[in-house]
Amino acid sequence: AQSVTQPDIHITVSEGASLELRCNYSYGATPYLFWYVQSPGQGLQLLLKYFSGDTLVQGIKGFEAEFKRSQSSFNLRKPSVHWSDAAEYFCAVLYNNNDMRFGAGTRLTVKP
Amino acid sequence: DGGITQSPKYLFRKEGQNVTLSCEQNLNHDAMYWYRQDPGQGLRLIYYSQIVNDFQKGDIAEGYSVSREKKESFPLTVTSAQKNPTAFYLCASSPGTGQGEQYFGPGTRLTVT
Repeated sequence: AQSVTQPDIHITVSEGASLELRCNYSYGATPYLFWYVQSPGQGLQLLLKYFSGDTLVQGIKGFEAEFKRSQSSFNLRKPSVHWSDAAEYFCAVLYNNNDMRFGAGTRLTVKP
Repeated sequence: DGGITQSPKYLFRKEGQNVTLSCEQNLNHDAMYWYRQDPGQGLRLIYYSQIVNDFQKGDIAEGYSVSREKKESFPLTVTSAQKNPTAFYLCASSPGTGQGEQYFGPGTRLTVT
């Protein structure tokens, strides 16, 4: 079965510091890749997506992600984290046009 | 405002009772999905529907049932056969399966005691 791995369960960064959240997926034909964010007790909001083309994609709230086929990775980055970025982040991969797989999530804590 | 609504936000039931969670969308999307979320496990697919009157089981369909009588609505029933029903349930929709991102509702937290 296809799978998505987010190696970091919990990350703490200081406000203003840079952020990178890791995501790796099991190999398949070029998948569609997504990052979602979830605040406590809420639904998921799409941050960004990759379907094809430029491997560096820009999203909302100043986030970006880079698709690296050779590493089967789609890491999420932000140059300067704000306190409001504290949330849970999910990487998702759409395989075979019909099978969306989510990582287990990374919880981000932002220190003042 | 286009979007997905789920009601209620919080739901409490006694063990042995069936309970139905509501999901409505006005995005004119063909595909709808139900996920279960447990701490540390991400989202797991329960059922999905590509068109009206059609639906397929996901990874964890046992103890759940769905219907899709209208394009806008995809209710989920948690039956008494579901061994561990307490969880956060998320409904989502997309223009079609395999057609890009899924849009999520705010979720329903079900507690069964």
